[in-house]
Amino acid sequence: GAGVSQTPSNKVTEKGKYVELRCDPISGHTALYWYRQSLGQGPEFLIYFQGTGAADDSGLPNDRFFAVRPEGSVSTLKIQRTERGDSAVYLCASSLNPDTDTQYFGPGTRLTVL
Amino acid sequence: KNEVEQSPQNLTAQEGEFITINCSYSVGISALHWLQQHPGGGIVSLFMLSSGKKKHGRLIATINIQEKHSSLHITASHPRDSAVYICAVTGTSGSRLTFGEGTQLTVNP
Repeated sequence: GAGVSQTPSNKVTEKGKYVELRCDPISGHTALYWYRQSLGQGPEFLIYFQGTGAADDSGLPNDRFFAVRPEGSVSTLKIQRTERGDSAVYLCASSLNPDTDTQYFGPGTRLTVL
Repeated sequence: KNEVEQSPQNLTAQEGEFITINCSYSVGISALHWLQQHPGGGIVSLFMLSSGKKKHGRLIATINIQEKHSSLHITASHPRDSAVYICAVTGTSGSRLTFGEGTQLTVNP
C-alpha cells in the first residue's frame, strides 16, 4: 500500500486480556515508531525501531508492553494483562531516514479496555 | 513543565482570517515538526524544519532557534482547515518525537 497501515482499527478487550496491535510501514522505511495518544492529549513516544532492533524503548510504560519487528518491516505491539488505563489510540509511524525525513503516520488503533 | 508547549489550546476563527499558532520548546532539537490531525483521522505531517521559514500553499511555518520558538500561520483560513495542529520536536539525541498537546482550530463559515 501507499501509506502506513494499522490493524485492527478498533479493539475492545476486557481487563486482564492480552492484545496485539499490528503496523505495516511504508515499504523500504527502516525506521518505525510507536506512539500512544490519550483523549485530548498529544501523542507520547513508546518505542523506536531501526531495522529489526529496538533503538529506543524508553517510552514503554512498564514490562506489560513489548514490541517486535522480526524482519525489519511489520511490527507488532503486544500488551499483556491489559488495564483500563491502557485505553488510548496507538499510533505507528515510519520514515526512510530517521535523521532527515518526516515521519508518516498510520490511522491508529483505538484500544478500549473495559 | 512540558518540553513542548503550544498556545492557544483552542482557537476559533471566521473564514478568511489569518491564524497563528505558537510553539515553544525547552530542549535542544534537531528539527521541529508541525502536524495536522482531523477528528477520527490520522496525523499528517505539514512541515519539518530546523531553521528559517517554509511555505506550502496557505500554510507558513517559521522557527527561531535562539528563542526556541516556532509559529504556524494559516492565511485566508477556511472551514476545512478545522483540525488539531500539533507541534513536535526531534531531540538531538535521537529521532523520537516529543509532542505538544495540540491546538484545536475551528474555522467557522
